[in-house]
Amino acid sequence: GQQVMQIPQYQHVQEGEDFTTYCNSSTTLSNIQWYKQRPGGHPVFLIQLVKSGEVKKQKRLTFQFGEAKKNSSLHITATQTTDVGTYFCAVNLQGGTYKYIFGTGTRLKVLA
Amino acid sequence: NAGVMQNPRHLVRRRGQEARLRCSPMKGHSHVYWYRQLPEEGLKFMVYLQKENIIDESGMPKERFSAEFPKEGPSILRIQQVVRGDSAAYFCASSPTLRDRVISGYTFGSGTRLTVV
Repeated sequence: GQQVMQIPQYQHVQEGEDFTTYCNSSTTLSNIQWYKQRPGGHPVFLIQLVKSGEVKKQKRLTFQFGEAKKNSSLHITATQTTDVGTYFCAVNLQGGTYKYIFGTGTRLKVLA
Repeated sequence: NAGVMQNPRHLVRRRGQEARLRCSPMKGHSHVYWYRQLPEEGLKFMVYLQKENIIDESGMPKERFSAEFPKEGPSILRIQQVVRGDSAAYFCASSPTLRDRVISGYTFGSGTRLTVV
């Protein structure tokens, strides 16, 4: 079945360092979404990527969709303690459907 | 404009009891999705409902789990004869139409954290 792997599983960084999480799929994707979940909280939608090679920015966050539409990355520049949480990708295979497969998540801890 | 409301936030049940989880979608939303999150894992799709209809329950365990979204009132996820393995966070999301949800991403409720003792 469809596999969605995120690496790394855990990441500890010093405040001010950069952070990147990667999402890899075994099959070509229609689109991909990214979510952030704070400890004890619920997932919050960050962004959706649809086009091959697409790059989107939100302040210190940069999202990229691979050319082959099989992988994606989320990069945070100069992390802050407020960035702590788990970052999930969610992939959609066929487009226009409701069923998203969530990745395993990357748990980010930022040390002040 | 209230978001997706779930209650209770925390629920403790003994093995063999029933758990009822409620989800009130955002105003004007008629599509509801339930996801389950086991500790330290990602979210797994369970069921997709529209008012009075189950559209897709392919992620629901075959036994003990059921879901409904009546014409009036919240969506209910019901787990009968709970076991320790049912302990998880259950999240609900809603959308006005399928197309809107696909474009804008899920808006999740705060979840119900079920603990089976």
